[in-house]
Amino acid sequence: DVKVTQSSRYLVKRTGEKVFLECVQDMDHENMFWYRQDPGLGLRLIYFSYDVKMKEKGDIPEGYSVSREKKERFSLILESASTNQTSMYLCATVRANNSPLHFGNGTRLTVT
Amino acid sequence: SQKIEQNSEALNIQEGKTATLTCNYTNYSPAYLQWYRQDPGRGPVFLLLIRENEKEKRKERLKVTFDTTLKQSLFHITASQPADSATYLCALDEHNQGGKLIFGQGTELSVKP
Repeated sequence: DVKVTQSSRYLVKRTGEKVFLECVQDMDHENMFWYRQDPGLGLRLIYFSYDVKMKEKGDIPEGYSVSREKKERFSLILESASTNQTSMYLCATVRANNSPLHFGNGTRLTVT
Repeated sequence: SQKIEQNSEALNIQEGKTATLTCNYTNYSPAYLQWYRQDPGRGPVFLLLIRENEKEKRKERLKVTFDTTLKQSLFHITASQPADSATYLCALDEHNQGGKLIFGQGTELSVKP
């Protein structure tokens, strides 16, 4: 089974802090994704990567950046955390087109 | 752009009954549509994928239909159990690019014993 591990389940940060959310997958998948999930809005795609060192913006990239230095690791960076970035962050990976997404268990981030 | 609508209200049913969840999309029919289950505090877990040329797909007590004329997918759980209580998400890949899914808001299902 694919395992997608997010380093923190819960995180509390202050406004203005730089925040790193880490995600590691163990199945050698090339495609990795960061989504955020908010009540009433569902899951929204922030950034994704189809290969090492490659990144593309999703639907809501503002205020975020990503890093993919190794195939198995995809990091989401909040350059200067704001309260409207309080959310559940979900990392996912997929083997290929027409394949299902495999999600991590999420990081619930609170920015105060 | 494509939008997905799922029943926003929670669905409460009695154990043993069939639960039916609805997913409607607005624009052109996607190549395939997926259903996920999400438990509180957890990431979504994939359940079923149905392609546009498939009318119906089954997996144990689960059944998914895909009607491109109505722009709708229905998700059925037969002989429902309290353990089926969760939020169910519908998702589609707008441009068949793998992983860039558009998700519905999900329908919360509660199965009472």
